[in-house]
Amino acid sequence: DPKIIQKPKYLVAVTGSEKILICEQYLGHNAMYWYRQSAKKPLEFMFSYSYQKLMDNQTASSRFQPQSSKKNHLDLQITALKPDDSATYFCASSQGASTEVFFGKGTRLTVV
Amino acid sequence: GDSVTQMQGQVTLSEDDFLFINCTYSTTWYPTLFWYVQYPGEGPQLLLKVTTANNKGISRGFEATYDKGTTSFHLQKASVQESDSAVYYCVLGDSGTYQRFGTGTKLQVVP
Repeated sequence: DPKIIQKPKYLVAVTGSEKILICEQYLGHNAMYWYRQSAKKPLEFMFSYSYQKLMDNQTASSRFQPQSSKKNHLDLQITALKPDDSATYFCASSQGASTEVFFGKGTRLTVV
Repeated sequence: GDSVTQMQGQVTLSEDDFLFINCTYSTTWYPTLFWYVQYPGEGPQLLLKVTTANNKGISRGFEATYDKGTTSFHLQKASVQESDSAVYYCVLGDSGTYQRFGTGTKLQVVP
């Protein structure tokens, strides 16, 4: 059974629209993360949360907003979508920065 | 700031060849160093963990060691197989809030 569930698996969006990527983890971890991977760039860290609080933000654009409604949830809202946002977005979790990070299978977002 | 550098972007080997991938890191803390592997269509997954205490990690025929003097760590395997084709990331974990991934080395093993 997958321990980190990301929904949807594939997503096609129109330029200028808004989408929410869903992530739930059932590993009992306190830290959750979002990473992005595109054809042009390697795996790129976006956000880290610990106990539902934002710990680090390496995303330059405010169009990306993480949302944590529950301890094991960390959704990613993306507004005013652009074609350059097309990428696979990975949710991940761990017990801390020095412990193993577990990744979900990703949401592949295509902006047309 | 803390960082990890992975210079080899792509490596192509034949089956049974020796694999060596090197990374360098920079941190003011005692690092925990990881190697993750990513197969097509999946997220990265842990391959090996190396701490300052043990200096070495071994898993699935892969071996990782680190050199504090040169602040480098590497991944090696004596004899690669086609099934080892994947992207390998060196990763720095420390007291910060997230693990820092290198840029990845794409390994292609040809039969």
